[in-house]
Amino acid sequence: QSVLTQPPSVSAAPGQKVTISCSGSSSNIGSNYVSWYQQFPGTAPKLLIYDNDKRPSGIPDRFSGSKSATSATLGISGLQTGDEADYYCGTWDSSMRRVFGGGTKLTVL
Amino acid sequence: EVQLVESGGGLVQPGGSLRLSCAASGFTFSSCEMNWVRQVPGRGLEWLAYISSSGTTIYYADSVKGRITVSRDNARNSLYLQMNTLRADDTAAYYCVRDYGGKPFDCWGQGTLVTVSA
Repeated sequence: QSVLTQPPSVSAAPGQKVTISCSGSSSNIGSNYVSWYQQFPGTAPKLLIYDNDKRPSGIPDRFSGSKSATSATLGISGLQTGDEADYYCGTWDSSMRRVFGGGTKLTVL
Repeated sequence: EVQLVESGGGLVQPGGSLRLSCAASGFTFSSCEMNWVRQVPGRGLEWLAYISSSGTTIYYADSVKGRITVSRDNARNSLYLQMNTLRADDTAAYYCVRDYGGKPFDCWGQGTLVTVSA
């Protein structure tokens, strides 16, 4: 059971926009920055979003992040088949331990 | 090129021990905070341990605290994870992960697979 709650799966058609939610509590998301990671099968995760809404260099602006109270959202617009992957949210808890969501599998129909 | 290369994984019997290593290159290792994260095949990510750049501050996940020890050797640009009293549910890919410039987990190794089985 993950500390942060994500939907197990989401799907959308190419070109559309999809959002992935990440729900936590006041002791984690509510008081810390959220980051998002993308993972393709058989490969290591990759940082997509940090500090709630910042993108590392090289990450397209099709990927966006937001946070409100104890929840965060990853948005992916202009969906491409190459976006099919697992997405994880992460943050800290009140004791500086890192916590992750259970992951969301994105299917581009 | 920034690189993190894990080694030391393999098959170990229940109750056994293993020491994982992570060789860092392409950046100033001694300036970076480091972590270990694992992933059971087909499952999600689980953070295990954090160590500050100097090694003076360490945090562990409650799920493994007491069974693992994280350490680093900045002179050798290396990170380590000592795992003891291994159980079947420790079977996972273990990743060495960097924090850098305020970006958490900004660089990941390729992972090393640990299999705990008799």
